[in-house]
Parts: sequence; structure tokens; C-alpha cells
Amino acid sequence: SQQGEEDPQALSIQEGENATMNCSYKTSINNLQWYRQNSGRGLVHLILIRSNEREKHSGRLRVTLDTSKKSSSLLITASRAADTASYFCATGKIIFGKGTRLHILP
Amino acid sequence: DSGVTQTPKHLITATGQRVTLRCSPRSGDLSVYWYQQSLDQGLQFLIQYYNGEERAKGNILERFSAQQFPDLHSELNLSSLELGDSALYFCASSDGWTNEKLFFGSGTQLSVL
Repeated sequence: SQQGEEDPQALSIQEGENATMNCSYKTSINNLQWYRQNSGRGLVHLILIRSNEREKHSGRLRVTLDTSKKSSSLLITASRAADTASYFCATGKIIFGKGTRLHILP
Repeated sequence: DSGVTQTPKHLITATGQRVTLRCSPRSGDLSVYWYQQSLDQGLQFLIQYYNGEERAKGNILERFSAQQFPDLHSELNLSSLELGDSALYFCASSDGWTNEKLFFGSGTQLSVL
């Protein structure tokens, strides 16, 4: 997407390790969201962070937002096999990029 | 289960044909969004309807059209199909007020042969 993208494109880590993926965007935003997509299935909303927030937690997920750099990061701690999926950032109806494909190795 | 229903799950057709994809939003959601996902293009926003009216347009081809009916279900019509139209088509819904959180259906896999 020309409005933003996720980085890296693909990430493989061992089960139990932490996974970090990044999102950069070009527009002004009111909020930023992260979604997960299991292979060939619909996206599932994970977490939303508003533009006046710098960090937000939800279970094993930690999201940061730096509006000055127009970037966000998603940290998944203590990864599990079930976390294997693609992760997308988005604002409103606009889904950025092609996602980060996360693969958790047993 | 997101509460968003898409039919059919799979569709195989030939070039030049026309198909209709159907979406039923979550109960109470007024906005419906359509997306196309292909391997090389990521998730492309096509069009949004809110309570029966077109709200926003994205990268939707002129060969494609959509509508939202009084019962809030939506249909995406794809005509004069080309090989490159083969993709996963997703529908999503939201309450339409905040547009902050989208609920996605499981998609329709379209194969144009």
C-alpha cells in the first residue's frame, strides 16, 4: 500500500521468543489498529491505539505508537505456535501493506 | 466467529463471466466494506456502504459494482472477469460511527480460469 507498510515482510522465531513487527504510515491518523490473519481467513482485530497514546498492552501484546515518526510496533511476547499468522496495521478502513508473515518454529 | 457471513466460500468461473458475492454484516452494523486480497497487492479497499448509501470508494474497477440493501446485506458484482481478478474477496462490517474496528468475514475465493 502506498499509505503504509509493515516490516519485516517475514519473520521466523522459536516458540517462546518475542516477536516484534513494525508499521510505518504516511497519513495523519486518529488511531492505529493491528489485525491478525490466519492463512486464507478473514482478519481478526487485535488491538487499537489512539493517536494520543504511546503504548498499550493486551495480554501478550504490546503496541507502541510514535506519531512524530509515523510508526508503530507490535510486540508479541512468549510466542506460541498459534501466533503463526500474518499481521497487518491499519487505520479505519485502510489496511496498510502486505503484512508481516510470522512463523513460530516448534 | 466474527458474525459476518460471506457466500459463497469458493467460486470458479471463466473469463468474461459475471459473478455476485454476498455479505451479511454483523447484527446492528450499518457499514459494509469490500476488500480484494491478492498475493502481490495485499489487501485493497474497494468500497464502503453505510446504511444503503455509498460512503467511500477505493481501488474499485469500473467492471465491479456493489450495493447495500435495506436489510443491510451487501452484494459485490464482478463482471467481464479477467484472470487477474482471481483473488480472495473479503467483506467487513462496523457500526459505522467510529469505523475503529472492523469485523471480517471468512472471504470468497474467486478463481477465474
